Amino acid sequence: DIQMTQSPSSLSASVGDRVTITCQASQDISNYLNWYQQKPGQAPKLLIYDATNLETGVPSRFRGSGSGTDFTFTITSLQPEDFATYYCQQYENLPRYTFGQGTRLEIK
Amino acid sequence: QVQLRESGPGLVKPSQTLSLTCTVSGGSISSGGYYWSWVRQHPGNGLEWIGCIYHRGSTSTYYKPSLESRVTISLDTSKNQFSLELSSVTAADTAVYYCARDGFRGDRRIFAMDVWGQGTTVTVSS
Repeated sequence: DIQMTQSPSSLSASVGDRVTITCQASQDISNYLNWYQQKPGQAPKLLIYDATNLETGVPSRFRGSGSGTDFTFTITSLQPEDFATYYCQQYENLPRYTFGQGTRLEIK
Repeated sequence: QVQLRESGPGLVKPSQTLSLTCTVSGGSISSGGYYWSWVRQHPGNGLEWIGCIYHRGSTSTYYKPSLESRVTISLDTSKNQFSLELSSVTAADTAVYYCARDGFRGDRRIFAMDVWGQGTTVTVSS
């Protein structure tokens, strides 16, 4: 099974900060990686698919990069509504999925 | 706009079978060739993909290997629903259960879940 290591597990930041989350796969997954945002009591929301593609309607401050085993998710300027938990998800073994452990982004 | 809604018992006894249904509205479950998934989230924890079902003429199912012996996902096109059954449950199966669907961007499938239900909480307890 492909393992996804997401880091950090939690992060404190301020409005306006640039924030980066990483996800590392245990083997090459090409660009088969998505990023989701989840707020308390809500279902996850797709933000980035295929490692770099911004989902329709998602603000451009959210960015994804990487391929192979190392991926990065960046919020270029944190907004108050961005405080949430973020998950990476790989789908190299289609159509089976594996999620990362999540990164909880909190207000400093 | 497709919407999903989970339903089922909120309390299940240990060793029994957990049964949930996801009702699809705003579109037909039998059109488009989508993958319909179940995902769960243990209290305070991350997301776990359970399995999915694909229907386009015939039906195929895919499960997380560690759950495969206990999971069955099925689809009822007449009711526009798909279902999850998880047998021999224990307290470790207590979670919020979500149904979800992947999407298309133009003619290209994206293997990402862009439509989700609101989730339903299932507690396993005697």
